[in-house]
Amino acid sequence: DAKTTQPPSMDCAEGRAANLPCNHSTISGNEYVYWYRQIHSQGPQYIIHGLKNNETNEMASLIITEDRKSSTLILPHATLRDTAVYYCIVRAPGYGGATNKLIFGTGTLLAVQP
Amino acid sequence: SQTIHQWPATLVQPVGSPLSLECTVEGTSNPNLYWYRQAAGRGLQLLFYSVGIGQISSEVPQNLSASRPQDRQFILSSKKLLLSDSGFYLCAWGSGGQETQYFGPGTRLLVL
Repeated sequence: DAKTTQPPSMDCAEGRAANLPCNHSTISGNEYVYWYRQIHSQGPQYIIHGLKNNETNEMASLIITEDRKSSTLILPHATLRDTAVYYCIVRAPGYGGATNKLIFGTGTLLAVQP
Repeated sequence: SQTIHQWPATLVQPVGSPLSLECTVEGTSNPNLYWYRQAAGRGLQLLFYSVGIGQISSEVPQNLSASRPQDRQFILSSKKLLLSDSGFYLCAWGSGGQETQYFGPGTRLLVL
């Protein structure tokens, strides 16, 4: 699985958009970009994933550059409850087993300020 | 909708005592199930995975074991806990070709 690079921390004002970057310059053609977050003392929460096209769901938007070497997770209106560590992961599609294991890096600690 | 449960939420156990952590999934059939451990300040370590009842694969040799007695039940056990077994234990499930994994709330284990 390709390695990802994320800033260690970011601040965002409540109500503003939070834009979390991720570099994955060695991503392979069949690898997806996944985003999870982990609020303190809780299990990781799936947010969104994508392959090439931009994706949007009720939680966030994922913007993937055309060369797929980087992506940005956008929380459109951050709230205090969005304070968490956000993990960007790239992984090939799997069908169960060890090849599906998720490898979390150090992530980005997003602190939403009131 | 699918939900995943883990219990207990927290556990304090003496060294050498046994362990049993339980994970159950609702709202899906024949899921792939995973046990991860997250040590303080570290990433996730895959411990075990299961693709079906009675089918367990171990990723890391250790004094832990896993069992899957039912389709949506996954159990993590130990006969004798070590100090190094302390950590945050996470159960996850996934299914389908792309297999996004969804995590439970976790069990925080402290071995003293």
